[in-house]
Amino acid sequence: DIQMTQSPSSLSASVGDRVTITCRASQSISSSLNWYQQKPGKVPDILIYAASSLQSGVPSRFSGSGSGTDFTLTISSLQPEDFATYYCQQSYSNPLSFGGGTKVEI
Amino acid sequence: EVQLLESGGALIQPGGSLRLSCAASGFTFSSYAMSWVRQAPGKGLEWVSTISGGGGITYYADSVKGRFTISRDNSKNTLHLQMNSLRAEDTAVYYCAKHWSSGGIRYFDLWGRGTLVTVSS
Repeated sequence: DIQMTQSPSSLSASVGDRVTITCRASQSISSSLNWYQQKPGKVPDILIYAASSLQSGVPSRFSGSGSGTDFTLTISSLQPEDFATYYCQQSYSNPLSFGGGTKVEI
Repeated sequence: EVQLLESGGALIQPGGSLRLSCAASGFTFSSYAMSWVRQAPGKGLEWVSTISGGGGITYYADSVKGRFTISRDNSKNTLHLQMNSLRAEDTAVYYCAKHWSSGGIRYFDLWGRGTLVTVSS
């Protein structure tokens, strides 16, 4: 089974900051990596799929990169509405798996 | 409107059974794989189970294998999760989620609002 490890588990940043979250897979998953945002009390929402493809409607300040085992989610200029927890998820093989999450505090 | 609506969550004693349902609308249900994903209070997301569009292929997390059964009724656009031998660690909000899949790319593109399962005596 593929294990997903996110870091950091939480971070505090200011509006306008550039924020980077990393996700590491226990084995190569090619580009089969998705990122979700979950705001408090809400359901998760897809941000980035296939490592770097921005879901329609997602602001361009979000971007993803990486392949193989190491991936990054970047928020270029943090906005107040970006306060949320972010999860990576591998779709390379079953069983599917999520990272532990990164809580972003403003 | 495209949506998923879960039901069936409850307070249940350890060792008990519960059946969750997820009603789908606004899309061709039988064309998509579906999953259950859970989230324990204050914790992260945990994938539980997936079923193919036709229902013939299923996958389970090790933590629920042998206790939970995923199924679907494409004539009623409904997904189910039969949960047996429930444990305290199964306490969570259970979400049903629709897969989007094309050319090797797949992700969850639609989530229900979740249903709470509490396992406690």
